[in-house]
Amino acid sequence: GAVVSQHPSRVICKSGTSVKIECRSLDFQATTMFWYRQFPKQSLMLMATSNEGSKATYEQGVEKDKFLINHASLTLSTLTVTSAHPEDSSFYICSAIKVGSNQPQHFGDGTRLSIL
Amino acid sequence: QKEVEQDPGPLSVPEGAIVSLNCTYSNSAFQYFMWYRQYSRKGPELLMYTYSSGNKEDGRFTAQVDKSSKYISLFIRDSQPSDSATYLCAIGSGNTGKLIFGQGTTLQVKP
Repeated sequence: GAVVSQHPSRVICKSGTSVKIECRSLDFQATTMFWYRQFPKQSLMLMATSNEGSKATYEQGVEKDKFLINHASLTLSTLTVTSAHPEDSSFYICSAIKVGSNQPQHFGDGTRLSIL
Repeated sequence: QKEVEQDPGPLSVPEGAIVSLNCTYSNSAFQYFMWYRQYSRKGPELLMYTYSSGNKEDGRFTAQVDKSSKYISLFIRDSQPSDSATYLCAIGSGNTGKLIFGQGTTLQVKP
């Protein structure tokens, strides 16, 4: 159990394009989902915490108008990178926590975003 | 000082060796401790998690937590080439579920 699906796995697009990434918990309901960014050979950097039905909480230095997060249901959160530029190229990973339990985060397989 | 310190390695061992991976942390309020394994271009995979000091064993993996020293370890017995990956420690506290990750240690197990 505790499977998290992330889609798409790879995106290549032109500068100025907006890109949407989906994160789904397949076999459990998630109270909270997290969005991370990871640069090569570096650890995960938390971007924002997403709670179902409420606004996301962004970490310091993360532009909320640049990285739009929507958590419409207990199984789906989306991250939209708006007007993406080459410096937004990175590996974006989501994770989810099960409802009502003090459980660890389960991660999706990430989305590799390349902006040309 | 970073909240969680982890030696990035790389660490190279022969197949069958015992591997020891370690992290230290600075905040005694941390309550739960996890180890993740990440293969290249994949998301982290949960290996072990614990909420208390002491040892927790699962197959070839043993997680050890020493809250008095603020030190956590992951031991891998009989290491295999398929264990070659980056291992991330993660530590959390409170009800938000937020984790702070170590930098990750890259492990290579040579056949």
